[in-house]
Amino acid sequence: GNSVTQMEGPVTLSEEAFLTINCTYTATGYPSLFWYVQYPGEGLQLLLKATKADDKGSNKGFEATYRKETTSFHLEKGSVQVSDSAVYFCALSVSNTGNQFYFGTGTSLTVIP
Amino acid sequence: DAGVIQSPRHEVTEMGQEVTLRCKPISGHNSLFWYRQTMMRGLELLIYFNNNVPIDDSGMPEDRFSAKMPNASFSTLKIQPSEPRDSAVYFCASSLIGGNTIYFGEGSWLTVV
Repeated sequence: GNSVTQMEGPVTLSEEAFLTINCTYTATGYPSLFWYVQYPGEGLQLLLKATKADDKGSNKGFEATYRKETTSFHLEKGSVQVSDSAVYFCALSVSNTGNQFYFGTGTSLTVIP
Repeated sequence: DAGVIQSPRHEVTEMGQEVTLRCKPISGHNSLFWYRQTMMRGLELLIYFNNNVPIDDSGMPEDRFSAKMPNASFSTLKIQPSEPRDSAVYFCASSLIGGNTIYFGEGSWLTVV
């Protein structure tokens, strides 16, 4: 079936530290992969996406590369800021599932000054 | 452009009362999703519609929950009667079928006392 497994949190980092949040997936077709971010009290917002193998999605200093060989889509940022504190969700969609989206459980990130 | 619009943003109601949550998807989108988010269970898909037709309602917790989409620009999620365990944030989201990106509203924060 289709599913997403992401690194459990919470994650606490100091400002300017390097961030990695791991995400792996299983899919029956050719998925598109996403990272969504949820700031406190808000809905989920699309952070970045990649639609085919070896694509790199990037936004706001965050990056993730679609790795078909390892079925992974790890989120990275070289230098986190306090304003990056949020919950991050990895997700996938597969076109042959009638437009279904599958979300991971979310990873809470807190960045301290 | 207007995003997904949900109402009410916050609702506090007494156990046993009927609750109706409303959603207006992004204009032109033909797929609509209802999610529930709690600390214990994370983000759960309740039901989704394609072209106003319910496709998968297996996530609807029980008969007290019902969802309708009478037209392309409006959907409701109803809980009758409400119970304290229904307290959660309910998100509506929309996308284009096959468009591979889903957009969330800001959520309806429900408290049942």
